[in-house]
Amino acid sequence: EPEVTQTPSHQVTQMGQEVILRCVPISNHLYFYWYRQILGQKVEFLVSFYNNEISEKSEIFDDQFSVERPDGSNFTLKIRSTKLEDSAMYFCASSGTSWEETQYFGPGTRLLVL
Amino acid sequence: SQQGEEDPQALSIQEGENATMNCSYKTSINNLQWYRQNSGRGLVHLILIRSNEREKHSGRLRVTLDTSKKSSSLLITASRAADTASYFCALDTGRRALTFGSGTRLQVQP
Repeated sequence: EPEVTQTPSHQVTQMGQEVILRCVPISNHLYFYWYRQILGQKVEFLVSFYNNEISEKSEIFDDQFSVERPDGSNFTLKIRSTKLEDSAMYFCASSGTSWEETQYFGPGTRLLVL
Repeated sequence: SQQGEEDPQALSIQEGENATMNCSYKTSINNLQWYRQNSGRGLVHLILIRSNEREKHSGRLRVTLDTSKKSSSLLITASRAADTASYFCALDTGRRALTFGSGTRLQVQP
């Protein structure tokens, strides 16, 4: 069964460093998302992406964040200058042919900012 | 608030019993999705129910949706120890994003 994959599974970085989280969505999906979950808290939406453009972004997704689909398979989230409060589990998700379909989530990248 | 609120926050049952979790919300929705998350792991999709549907089944799972009461329930029948996890409802309100609730932590005792 196709699944969303994410790398790395864990990332430790120093405050102020740039990190890139990588995702490979399900191959025929057209809609892509990033969410995050701070330890013990609810899952929060960051950004949605379609046709090489951001479709929606939350207040969390400020100028420090960017997304890119550099090729036909990868979808990346970049945090330019990490802060302590960026420590969280980051989930990538994808859905098929419309916004109203099931979103399938990857296993997540656990980011720790020291 | 656009988010769903699950009830109860925590539920402990014996193996073989049924578990019912509820989700209430305040806005209009396109669909509502239920997810399971094992501790520290990824989100596993369980069921999507659209606003024009009232009930859906998948194996031991039964989801109902009452849009007039703005509530949904997830029933797990004949629970197993492996069902121990957190369960979340997520709302699709047409914003091209899912809004998650705080979840119900289910503990199934063997």
